[in-house]
Amino acid sequence: AQTVTQSQPEMSVQEAETVTLSCTYDTSENNYYLFWYKQPPSRQMILVIRQEAYKQQNATENRFSVNFQKAAKSFSLKISDSQLGDTAMYFCVLHNAGNMLTFGGGTRLMVKP
Amino acid sequence: DSGVTQTPKHLITATGQRVTLRCSPRSGDLSVYWYQQSLDQGLQFLIQYYNGEERAKGNILERFSAQQFPDLHSELNLSSLELGDSALYFCASSVAPGGYNEQFFGPGTRLTVL
Repeated sequence: AQTVTQSQPEMSVQEAETVTLSCTYDTSENNYYLFWYKQPPSRQMILVIRQEAYKQQNATENRFSVNFQKAAKSFSLKISDSQLGDTAMYFCVLHNAGNMLTFGGGTRLMVKP
Repeated sequence: DSGVTQTPKHLITATGQRVTLRCSPRSGDLSVYWYQQSLDQGLQFLIQYYNGEERAKGNILERFSAQQFPDLHSELNLSSLELGDSALYFCASSVAPGGYNEQFFGPGTRLTVL
């Protein structure tokens, strides 16, 4: 069975500052994908960033970047220049080769003006 | 707007009843995923279909079933409902199965079991 753990239930950051959300996972597979999704108060799930496990290079999407440590099974999300619109619940997700998806418990991020 | 539609938006029913949730994927997407988001269980993957066939099964209860029709819309059937089935049910679609294909989520159906 695969597991995903987000150890920070809640975090806050000042607008324009940088924040890092943690995620650790466990899987016996070698090929898988990792995602960060955000869920703002509207409840709409939105893809933030995606990482393929066979790629060593960390994914980046504008202000969002990840630190993927495959051996440590760690996948943290860094948000730079935080904006008020980044306020949301963030989920770390593991998608394995068999199309099984496992979600972390989520981190609620509050960006303060 | 993701292009994925779900109906109804809200559903209130009683224990023991049966309900059907409907999902229409984005135009061109052949794969549909169902998820349950509840306060105590968090977000859970239920089941995935691709072009009418079941491709992966997650934590879906035996009381729940799903199917994908030839026009690619999908329905999730929940029967013998219990209080604990109250949750937000999401549908997502992608072009094909596999983590390399982005999933687009619908707005969800809020189910309340009284």
